[in-house]
Amino acid sequence: GQQVMQIPQYQHVQEGEDFTTYCNSSTTLSNIQWYKQRPGGHPVFLIQLVKSGEVKKQKRLTFQFGEAKKNSSLHITATQTTDVGTYFCAGRRLYTNAGKSTFGDGTTLTVKP
Amino acid sequence: DTEVTQTPKHLVMGMTNKKSLKCEQHMGHRAMYWYKQKAKKPPELMFVYSYEKLSINESVPSRFSPECPNSSLLNLHLHALQPEDSALYLCASAHLGGSAGETQYFGPGTRLLVL
Repeated sequence: GQQVMQIPQYQHVQEGEDFTTYCNSSTTLSNIQWYKQRPGGHPVFLIQLVKSGEVKKQKRLTFQFGEAKKNSSLHITATQTTDVGTYFCAGRRLYTNAGKSTFGDGTTLTVKP
Repeated sequence: DTEVTQTPKHLVMGMTNKKSLKCEQHMGHRAMYWYKQKAKKPPELMFVYSYEKLSINESVPSRFSPECPNSSLLNLHLHALQPEDSALYLCASAHLGGSAGETQYFGPGTRLLVL
């Protein structure tokens, strides 16, 4: 079945440092979404990437979708304490039923002030 | 309104109890989902309803029974649960098709404890 691997599992940074999480799929994806879950909270949608090689930016966050549509990354520039949480990618394999996205295991980010 | 609501927020039940979790959205989304999330793990898909019909059942035990009374409501009926079923149960909805793809909006979840 489809596997979505996400690394690293944990990342501890000093406030102001950059942070990157990577998502890799064993199969070509139709699209990929990124979600953020704060401690004690629920996943909140950040972005969706659909096109090969797509790059999207949201303020300090930069999202990329690989040319082969098998990998993606989320990069945060100059982290702040508000960035704390677990970041999940979720992707749907090409030609599978709509709605059947597989979540990566998540990267938990802690930021030391 | 991009809100998905879930009730109750917390639920404690015994293994012989019957209870129901409720989810509601008014975004006109035609896909609704149930996920189970254990601590420090990603959400695990249980069921998907598309246009009020069950389209995906991820081999979930029959002690979990989903129901979609209409396009805005989703229920999860619980019966004879086991302690290992204790988890955060998340509901989500999505607009199917078009540029929105599978962008899912999650509710706050129900924290379930089975004793």
